[in-house]
Amino acid sequence: DTAVSQTPKYLVTQMGNDKSIKCEQNLGHDTMYWYKQDSKKFLKIMFSYNNKELIINETVPNRFSPKSPDKAHLNLHINSLELGDSAVYFCASSPGLPLGVEQYFGPGTRLTVT
Amino acid sequence: AQKITQTQPGMFVQEKEAVTLDCTYDTSDPSYGLFWYKQPSSGEMIFLIYQGSYDQQNATEGRYSLNFQKARKSANLVISASQLGDSAMYFCAMCYLGGAQKLVFGQGTRLTINP
Repeated sequence: DTAVSQTPKYLVTQMGNDKSIKCEQNLGHDTMYWYKQDSKKFLKIMFSYNNKELIINETVPNRFSPKSPDKAHLNLHINSLELGDSAVYFCASSPGLPLGVEQYFGPGTRLTVT
Repeated sequence: AQKITQTQPGMFVQEKEAVTLDCTYDTSDPSYGLFWYKQPSSGEMIFLIYQGSYDQQNATEGRYSLNFQKARKSANLVISASQLGDSAMYFCAMCYLGGAQKLVFGQGTRLTINP
C-alpha cells in the first residue's frame, strides 16, 4: 500500500538516449510534482500538475517533458540524455489547499547517464 | 523570491541528547508554510513537520518540534531524546501558500547520532 511509487528505482543509460520515469500516487491527491536532487543533495522543483493541468514549469531544458494522464499519475520523459542529467528524481504529491500543503515523496529514481 | 538557509553542514550528537537544527528563511510573502524533511541513507524523503506562517503555536509531532520565531525568520527543528535512527540528512523547506505550492529547500544538515 505504497503511497507514492516511482519506477524504475535505478536507471543507467547512455548519453543521447531517451528515457521515462513513472510516478503513481494512491493518496487521492490533486497535485503532483517532480523534483531533482543533484550530487550535492540540493533539491529543486521542476514541474507541478494540479488535476492533470501543468501549474509549475521551472527553468528546465525542454528535453524534459512531464505528462499527467490522470491525477494519480505523473510521468517524466527525458530526451537526448546528457551527463548533467545524472541525479535523483523525486515525485511528490499533495492534497493542495485548503486540504493541506504537506508533500509526500516517492522513493526517488537514481538516473545515471554514462 | 524565497530563500532557505541551513548553516550547519554537519552535526554530531550523543544518543539521548536533544538536538536543534537551524533554519532561517527569507520571503516577502505574508502567507507561507515551513517544512522539515528527513532523508536517511536509503534515500527516501520523509515528511516530519509543518508550520504555517499564521499558526500561533509551534508545531509538534512526537519527538519533533518546530521552534518558529517569525520576527527572526527562523524555523529550527528540535529533536528530543535523539536515537541512532535519527542519523540522516535533514532539509528545511518553505512554500508560498498563495499559489502553486512549490517547495524551496535549504542545503541540508547531516546529523550523526553517536552511541
